[in-house]
Amino acid sequence: DGGITQSPKYLFRKEGQNVTLSCEQNLNHDAMYWYRQDPGQGLRLIYYSQIVNDFQKGDIAEGYSVSREKKESFPLTVTSAQKNPTAFYLCASSIVSSGDTTYEQYFGPGTRLTVT
Amino acid sequence: GDSVTQMEGPVTLSEEAFLTINCTYTATGYPSLFWYVQYPGEGLQLLLKATKADDKGSNKGFEATYRKETTSFHLEKGSVQVSDSAVYFCALSGGTYKYIFGTGTRLKVLA
Repeated sequence: DGGITQSPKYLFRKEGQNVTLSCEQNLNHDAMYWYRQDPGQGLRLIYYSQIVNDFQKGDIAEGYSVSREKKESFPLTVTSAQKNPTAFYLCASSIVSSGDTTYEQYFGPGTRLTVT
Repeated sequence: GDSVTQMEGPVTLSEEAFLTINCTYTATGYPSLFWYVQYPGEGLQLLLKATKADDKGSNKGFEATYRKETTSFHLEKGSVQVSDSAVYFCALSGGTYKYIFGTGTRLKVLA
């Protein structure tokens, strides 16, 4: 079955440590995204990538970094510069939208990061 | 810029009641509209979508109609079940990388 996997489901880190969240998809999608979800808020875009070896900052990229070395993989690193990293992180993928055609996003199960 | 506004939750209903969750949007052009559902501790799942005015998306008994004249995409279900308890997100996308999500509406269905 095609889908998106994120690991681990729960992650605990001490303040000051960098941590990398994994996201893998086997849907053959070119576009991949990272969102942050906080209680009572919608999803906020951290980074997105529409092609291998290229990615763009979203609305809240400060304190985060990504790489896109393979089509299937889009790992997110939460650095020590992120002021409030405790949150639920969601990875998504889609076919790249073009012209009049917009495609839906497919989401992974999420990683809950707790930094103390 | 583009935006999505959803009704505040939580919405609490008895089983078999009629459900409406309101969603209105602001956008330039003709965006595609989506409803996603999120169960506790999980990612979002696409529930239904509509890509042009007057389109009706439907899935698992849920329906929503793309109303350009009222810029709305309200989610409805005729008879809810306990298993429908979740958070529902309305979203739009205008053909680029950008997907705009509402803040979500929590639905609780009581047996």
